[in-house]
Amino acid sequence: EAAVTQSPRSKVAVTGGKVTLSCHQTNNHDYMYWYRQDTGHGLRLIHYSYVADSTEKGDIPDGYKASRPSQENFSLILELASLSQTAVYFCASSQTGGADAEQFFGPGTRLTVL
Amino acid sequence: TQTVSQSDAHVTVFEGDSVELRCNYSYGGSIYLSWYIQHHGHGLQFLLKYYSGNPVVQGVNGFEAEFSKSDSSFHLRKASVHWSDSAVYFCAVSAASSGQKLVFGQGTILKVYL
Repeated sequence: EAAVTQSPRSKVAVTGGKVTLSCHQTNNHDYMYWYRQDTGHGLRLIHYSYVADSTEKGDIPDGYKASRPSQENFSLILELASLSQTAVYFCASSQTGGADAEQFFGPGTRLTVL
Repeated sequence: TQTVSQSDAHVTVFEGDSVELRCNYSYGGSIYLSWYIQHHGHGLQFLLKYYSGNPVVQGVNGFEAEFSKSDSSFHLRKASVHWSDSAVYFCAVSAASSGQKLVFGQGTILKVYL
């Protein structure tokens, strides 16, 4: 069954440490996305990618890097984690990049930065 | 700039009741409107979308939404809710000009009591 999986599902990190969140999709989709969700707020786009070895900035890219080593995998990297990056992070994929494209989401990763 | 507003943070109903979850948007161009559902501990799942044509669109599990250009709204409705409909519901808008970018509302927590 086609799916988007994320690892880890939860993580506690220390301020200033490096954090890598991983996403894997078996949908054979070209587009992949990273969002963050803060309590009481909707999702906000951090980075996205439409092809392997290329990433694009979303609405809130500061403090984050992304890596797309293959079509199936998309990572989000926090080089120097900060308290303000405590949130739930969602990965998603879509077949196309059009505005009408349905996005398929992973289960999320809860990141707590102490 | 696109904005999406979901005015009700929480909605509480009893099983069998009808429910309407409100969504208002702000954007002047051609847009796609969609609803996603998020069950506790899971990622978002697509419910339905609208771009043009019949302003009432049908989704999964008896959900429907109605587009109103005059009210800049895209409210989600269900005639008879089930306890399993308890979840967080997100309205999202994507502009035809910005392609894959989804802008989400803050979400509405729907609680269905038996």
